[in-house]
Amino acid sequence: DVKVTQSSRYLVKRTGEKVFLECVQDMDHENMFWYRQDPGLGLRLIYFSYDVKMKEKGDIPEGYSVSREKKERFSLILESASTNQTSMYLCASSFVGVAYGYTFGSGTRLTVV
Amino acid sequence: GESVGLHLPTLSVQEGDNSIINCAYSNSASDYFIWYKQESGKGPQFIIDIRSNMDKRQGQRVTVLLNKTVKHLSLQIAATQPGDSAVYFCAERGQAGTALIFGKGTTLSVSS
Repeated sequence: DVKVTQSSRYLVKRTGEKVFLECVQDMDHENMFWYRQDPGLGLRLIYFSYDVKMKEKGDIPEGYSVSREKKERFSLILESASTNQTSMYLCASSFVGVAYGYTFGSGTRLTVV
Repeated sequence: GESVGLHLPTLSVQEGDNSIINCAYSNSASDYFIWYKQESGKGPQFIIDIRSNMDKRQGQRVTVLLNKTVKHLSLQIAATQPGDSAVYFCAERGQAGTALIFGKGTTLSVSS
């Protein structure tokens, strides 16, 4: 069963900490994405990557960075966590091309205290 | 800004009824649309997609309708079941190589 795996389901971090959210996919997808999901706001794109070592900013990249050293792994980094980054974080992957949907992970619920 | 939205944040139906979830999009250049279902505690799951050169596509108990004239997308669920209770998102792709843009979601509640 193909999947996107996010390393943690729940995470609690302190303000100012550096936080790493990991995502691994086993489908040999070229594209990988990080979204955050908040009540009433839907899914908002943080960063995405179309290839190894390549990244593009999404709609809300401020306070975040990403790393893609291997095709199967895409990491989201909160350089200095703040309480307004408390959210559900969703990783997704897809093949390149117009008509491909995304496969999502189960999400990481991050709480910053 | 957001280019995809749903008309209603919540929808309540009785088991066995047909459900219709609507979505408006603003980018006339979008050529691919998807509906996702997200159950509590899980990531969104693909339901059905449609390309802009089509106006209707059917799956198992689900139908997606695309009206490009008014930039409207809808998801119809036949004989709605309690297991259909979830948040439903529409998404569009503006052009090849760009990321999907998601709407805010509609919460479907099915009562027995």
